[in-house]
Amino acid sequence: DTEVTQTPKHLVMGMTNKKSLKCEQHMGHRAMYWYKQKAKKPPELMFVYSYEKLSINESVPSRFSPECPNSSLLNLHLHALQPEDSALYLCASSQDPGSGNTIYFGEGSWLTVV
Amino acid sequence: KQEVTQIPAALSVPEGENLVLNCSFTDSAIYNLQWFRQDPGKGLTSLLLIQSSQREQTSGRLNASLDKSSGRSTLYIAASQPGDSATYLCAVLHAGNMLTFGGGTRLMVKP
Repeated sequence: DTEVTQTPKHLVMGMTNKKSLKCEQHMGHRAMYWYKQKAKKPPELMFVYSYEKLSINESVPSRFSPECPNSSLLNLHLHALQPEDSALYLCASSQDPGSGNTIYFGEGSWLTVV
Repeated sequence: KQEVTQIPAALSVPEGENLVLNCSFTDSAIYNLQWFRQDPGKGLTSLLLIQSSQREQTSGRLNASLDKSSGRSTLYIAASQPGDSATYLCAVLHAGNMLTFGGGTRLMVKP
């Protein structure tokens, strides 16, 4: 099973809402990632979790708050977003951070901020 | 800062043609290079991964090569089919386990 599962697939939220994106993998991977992809652009790294600890934050605004409750789950909490935050949010995982393993991506969550 | 460039940005070919997609990167200190496929509205599917010590990888009609010293990779697709139509992204894994993507090549294979 090389699956990374993301929910919800689509989310529409207002600028004052609080919502969360969820990501799950059961491959025993110890590195998990959040990427943001705008239309017709490549994905851009937001956060890296290594052994359930935040190791990289690519200067992401605090209205995005990641959480890694355990080695299989990764959440992205959203609050007070702006319309320009509308994008495809991709979760990914790899076996071992820093060792050059394949990174597996989920199908993504389409976020629309109105 | 690592930068990854893909050319062409878009490509339209008739079915059956062999084609080459190009990827270049500025910093040769990489762990590996991955080629991904992305269908419209979908996530990323990993096609091939080449470790920094390897020269090429093959999977079915796909062959990817890596010349780390010159900062180049190519993805060769043999006997293209309409089902190959998608965006192809290359990405390099470098320090801090960071994956940097190129801008992608949008491929259209016409029946």
